[in-house]
Amino acid sequence: NAGVTQTPKFQVLKTGQSMTLQCAQDMNHEYMSWYRQDPGMGLRLIHYSVGAGITDQGEVPNGYNVSRSTTEDFPLRLLSAAPSQTSVYFCASSTLGAGEKLLFGSGTQLSVL
Amino acid sequence: GQNIDQPTEMTATEGAIVQINCTYQTSGFNGLFWYQQHAGEAPTFLSYNVLDGLEEKGRFSSFLSRSKGYSYLLLKELQMKDSASYLCAVRPYYGGATNKLIFGTGTLLAVQP
Repeated sequence: NAGVTQTPKFQVLKTGQSMTLQCAQDMNHEYMSWYRQDPGMGLRLIHYSVGAGITDQGEVPNGYNVSRSTTEDFPLRLLSAAPSQTSVYFCASSTLGAGEKLLFGSGTQLSVL
Repeated sequence: GQNIDQPTEMTATEGAIVQINCTYQTSGFNGLFWYQQHAGEAPTFLSYNVLDGLEEKGRFSSFLSRSKGYSYLLLKELQMKDSASYLCAVRPYYGGATNKLIFGTGTLLAVQP
């Protein structure tokens, strides 16, 4: 049982490049989400999904796309990276239910030059 | 909208007790979570409150007052390893099945010998 797996752990991009951050969970969790964490800003919700084929926007969705073709995977795509997207990205998942806690992946440190 | 406030930094002494406060204003409420995050690591779940009152779990306790939009995390018998950021997060209620969590900016606790 691996939990929530994020890849890569570190990434450096040039402005305008595209890339996909991968997130996979093996716990059959319906709910998956992406956060970014910046100094002084806390964790901010980018996109989330309540099941395969269903996604919705969070607080800061601009510049990011997601898809949920399977229960296990929830990739985050940056189509044209900008320096403002330099951040630490966390994927988190849980079963559905008000009291269900989010389980976080280990994070991806992204730098956009 | 959502607004979650907690102090930016706190300092306490090893062996002492510290209380970290969190106030929130959200459109609908479906529970409050506390997470711990050590530097360079992912957040990990500490506690969950949905009803008014105190939840105790070992050295950690969490209190909720829904009418006041207020929670606190109480850490007893502080240890050096408790030096970390403590994140308050609220689960808004929108009437649908979602596990969205909105986070405060976190409180950085430094435990001194």
